[in-house]
Order: sequence, then structure tokens, then C-alpha cells
Amino acid sequence: EAQVTQNPRYLITVTGKKLTVTCSQNMNHEYMSWYRQDPGLGLRQIYYSMNVEVTDKGDVPEGYKVSRKEKRNFPLILESPSPNQTSLYFCASSSATNEKLFFGSGTQLSVL
Amino acid sequence: AQSVTQPDIHITVSEGASLELRCNYSYGATPYLFWYVQSPGQGLQLLLKYFSGDTLVQGIKGFEAEFKRSQSSFNLRKPSVHWSDAAEYFCAVGTTGFQKLVFGTGTRLLVSP
Repeated sequence: EAQVTQNPRYLITVTGKKLTVTCSQNMNHEYMSWYRQDPGLGLRQIYYSMNVEVTDKGDVPEGYKVSRKEKRNFPLILESPSPNQTSLYFCASSSATNEKLFFGSGTQLSVL
Repeated sequence: AQSVTQPDIHITVSEGASLELRCNYSYGATPYLFWYVQSPGQGLQLLLKYFSGDTLVQGIKGFEAEFKRSQSSFNLRKPSVHWSDAAEYFCAVGTTGFQKLVFGTGTRLLVSP
């Protein structure tokens, strides 16, 4: 089954403790992206990647890192999480020619 | 920079009634326009998209949207709403395609019996 898999589904952590949210897709998509969703703000793009080793900032990249060493994986790294990064995070992927984003089920992160 | 406005935070529609969700965008040229739906606890699913050509586009689940350049709008419509349509709907705009999308704040649709 074609899917985008994010882990974990829920995460509670404390300020300053490094964490990684994983994202994996099984559709051989070139494009992958991370969004955060906050009430009243909709979805905002954090980072995106057009292919392996090619990443670029979205609208709200501060406090996040990403890497794209393999085509299928696009982890989101919070090196020193802060409470303002409490949010619902979505990973998405697409082929270069389809323009249809496939979204994961989301990761609810709480930073205390 | 492009922006998207969805003026309605919540809309309640009776089952079987028609639906129109509003979306206005700000961008100088012809944008790439999308509507996505998010069911509770789920990721987003593409309903339809507009890049060029016919200004009335058909999507999945019986939805359609009309691009009106003069009004900078891309409103989503459905002639008869089903209870399963209750969800949150997001309009999004991109300038070069789907790579850098700007999403609206969403409209939550409630369907009453």
C-alpha cells in the first residue's frame, strides 16, 4: 500500500532534549516536505527536499533541521526543542510530475 | 509573497444541502491552486487542483471548484453534502507548483442531520 509513515504518532518531551521525528515513503517520490499545523494558522512549511541531498527552507525553518540521505526517508530534527514548537507535524511526499501531495497521519508533539 | 484567505472558520450545512467554501488568494500571476480535506486524526487528502485551462475543475468525492481571476477566488462547491463530508478543508496556493505551498487557515465543515 502506498503510504507516508511518520513516527512517533504522539511525543511528549521537555525543553532542550533533542528529538527526531521520522518520515518514510514507499512510493519512490523525489519530493518530500515537512509542515506544522497550529490552530488558526493552518499549515506552514518548515523544510522541503526536491531529491536526495537537496533540501531548502520553507516559511518557518527556525529551530529545525532536516536531512535527505536516502530517497525514502526525510527525518525532522529538533536539536533543542522549545515550548513554541508544540504543534502537529505532517510529512508529505510527491513525485516530481504529479503535483499531488501524499500526507502522513501526523505527529502530535508537546514540548514542556 | 502569495497568501490565502479562508474567511469562514466554521460552516454548518444540513445533509443534502449544497455547499460552498470560500477561498481568496493574493498573487500577481496565475497561481497553482489546491483544495485539501483533513478528516479528524488524519493527514490531508487532495480534492482537486487548478493550474491552467478550464476554470471549472472537478475533483474527487463530487467536489468542484471554480477559478475566478477577476475575484482572485477559488471557491469549493458540492451540490449535495453527505454526513461523511464533515471535515476541515484547506485551500492552498503555489507559485511554481506544489513545492512551496501556502495554506489557508482552514474551514471546518459540520453537517447536521
